[in-house]
Amino acid sequence: DTGVSQDPRHKITKRGQNVTFRCDPISEHNRLYWYRQTLGQGPEFLTYFQNEAQLEKSRLLSDRFSAERPKGSFSTLEIQRTEQGDSAMYLCASSPSGTPKGYTFGSGTRLTVV
Amino acid sequence: GENVEQHPSTLSVQEGDSAVIKCTYSDSASNYFPWYKQELGKRPQLIIDIRSNVGEKKDQRIAVTLNKTAKHFSLHITETQPEDSAVYFCAAILNNAGNMLTFGGGTRLMVKP
Repeated sequence: DTGVSQDPRHKITKRGQNVTFRCDPISEHNRLYWYRQTLGQGPEFLTYFQNEAQLEKSRLLSDRFSAERPKGSFSTLEIQRTEQGDSAMYLCASSPSGTPKGYTFGSGTRLTVV
Repeated sequence: GENVEQHPSTLSVQEGDSAVIKCTYSDSASNYFPWYKQELGKRPQLIIDIRSNVGEKKDQRIAVTLNKTAKHFSLHITETQPEDSAVYFCAAILNNAGNMLTFGGGTRLMVKP
């Protein structure tokens, strides 16, 4: 386990379709985060899990977005009825609990909605 | 919630010169401040961090300073090299906010050979 893995790396979808992304964090990290990054901007927080519990969701996250981490290991982020404004890089990160530490980010999933 | 402002948005320096990027934060309870480097098409990578009980931290050519009273912190890169060219992001965290980072808008650093 050398880092945070995300799949797929790229996704092109038609407007209105549903998409699902997967993130595998570093195995000993019990905190997992999803961020969205658009071109030229810093990552924006979407949601956060501690083990399997989703503890925080951003107001940016509309009802079309849902995330799960069913066994406290990998996580999925689903976007339903995609819109062109959903086009972005979706970054997953993980960190250990306890004293605040920097995240380890995955390589991201670049979503393009056409 | 936390708000992080970062300046400048772009910075161009000659190889060998120093570069300074500044960030301000809004929440005085913030206690952890990492800096990330993101090369084109790649993931953000942690390069240095500082906690609120420390005023300065250095790692080779990179240093970070923190002024808690003024609520600002800065990244200093000395003897810049072309491979330092990237986008740099500052971030801040609240101790009681689940370790959630709020990022600045980024600084595109270009080091000219």
